[in-house]
Amino acid sequence: KAGVTQTPRYLIKTRGQQVTLSCSPISGHRSVSWYQQTPGQGLQFLFEYFSETQRNKGNFPGRFSGRQFSNSRSEMNVSTLELGDSALYLCASSLGGGLGTDTQYFGPGTRLTVL
Amino acid sequence: SQQGEEDPQALSIQEGENATMNCSYKTSINNLQWYRQNSGRGLVHLILIRSNEREKHSGRLRVTLDTSKKSSSLLITASRAADTASYFCATVHLNSGGSNYKLTFGKGTLLTVNP
Repeated sequence: KAGVTQTPRYLIKTRGQQVTLSCSPISGHRSVSWYQQTPGQGLQFLFEYFSETQRNKGNFPGRFSGRQFSNSRSEMNVSTLELGDSALYLCASSLGGGLGTDTQYFGPGTRLTVL
Repeated sequence: SQQGEEDPQALSIQEGENATMNCSYKTSINNLQWYRQNSGRGLVHLILIRSNEREKHSGRLRVTLDTSKKSSSLLITASRAADTASYFCATVHLNSGGSNYKLTFGKGTLLTVNP
């Protein structure tokens, strides 16, 4: 089976712009979660989607949003980018039990740089 | 603040030795997970232990959980140079409002295994 894929792998944006990141889960996986990783704050949970619905969410502002399509592919959007949004954004897929109850498989990440 | 905190922050050992990393957390958990991250293979799920379990094994990995002390440990036996990576614990717990689950990572232990 193909692993989790994320596009694009690298992205450079300027403050105030918006960005959309894409994640394709492993075939058959119905849950997709998103994480932000920075040197200062470490790995932080953004949200989890299951069956096209946001099932769980972390403590990020409303500028961070996501959605999931009927084929389980997911997109994450960040509006009005700030310098502090520069990070590695990881998505993970799992079969779809409750958050963290199934093994999560991570993609390689999208490296976002905000100038 | 971080739910999970790993100790030590960095650990350097020789190949063949055992490595022990500890994780402490603050609130009641649903389960606790350990992850490994290195530049070659990205973030990989290692093992999950539920709140009603005390010990789990997977190959050379042994995880213990003490919910009374709110702590967990990860033991890697007979370490290899390929085990060089950052190791994170992550807890799954209900948010303060009880409305959804969150997955919270610690800042990690950097393990270096010298050949």
